[in-house]
Amino acid sequence: ELKVEQNPLFLSMQEGKNYTIYCNYSTTSDRLYWYRQDPGKSLESLFVLLSNGAVKQEGRLMASLDTKARLSTLHITAAVHDLSATYFCAFPRSGTYKYIFGTGTRLKVLA
Amino acid sequence: DAGITQSPRHKVTETGTPVTLRCHQTENHRYMYWYRQDPGHGLRLIHYSYGVKDTDKGEVSDGYSVSRSKTEDFLLTLESATSSQTSVYFCAIGAAGANTGELFFGEGSRLTVL
Repeated sequence: ELKVEQNPLFLSMQEGKNYTIYCNYSTTSDRLYWYRQDPGKSLESLFVLLSNGAVKQEGRLMASLDTKARLSTLHITAAVHDLSATYFCAFPRSGTYKYIFGTGTRLKVLA
Repeated sequence: DAGITQSPRHKVTETGTPVTLRCHQTENHRYMYWYRQDPGHGLRLIHYSYGVKDTDKGEVSDGYSVSRSKTEDFLLTLESATSSQTSVYFCAIGAAGANTGELFFGEGSRLTVL
């Protein structure tokens, strides 16, 4: 069964703290995507990871991909309230353009 | 921002009635998708299209049909709506080939089936 597991599902953290969100997927894929969704809004693309070992950084967020371990991480450095959102990882089913999404990690950053 | 428009944005209907959601894009992207979002399930793929008149099923296609007669429009139809189809529906588009493959999403259509 094709699965994408994110953990934690919910994360409440203090401003200024660091934390990592994990995305495990059940089949081979050479690319992985991270999206952000604010409450009641649509999804927007955050990171596109296109190969094993890829690392991308944008502000306080850094994403990495290990295709051999089938694992991607989204690291948050010195969290701020504006990062409060739900974060999804997604990957294409092998040989197709069908994108499978994780269940999402709801992040709440407390002032 | 990618030019994606979903309509209607909100709809309340009764069990057993047909419903059609429309997704319109101005980007000329080859791939179009319909996802539903429900608490605890993330986004689940209903159907997707890889060209005009070319569609394929996703993870949760039962009870849904789609059509794509033009590059810019992708329609999702619930032939006979049920309460389990109450959800937020997102359309997404993606380019093919050497592109990065990221998807761009519409604003969502909230459907309530009473």
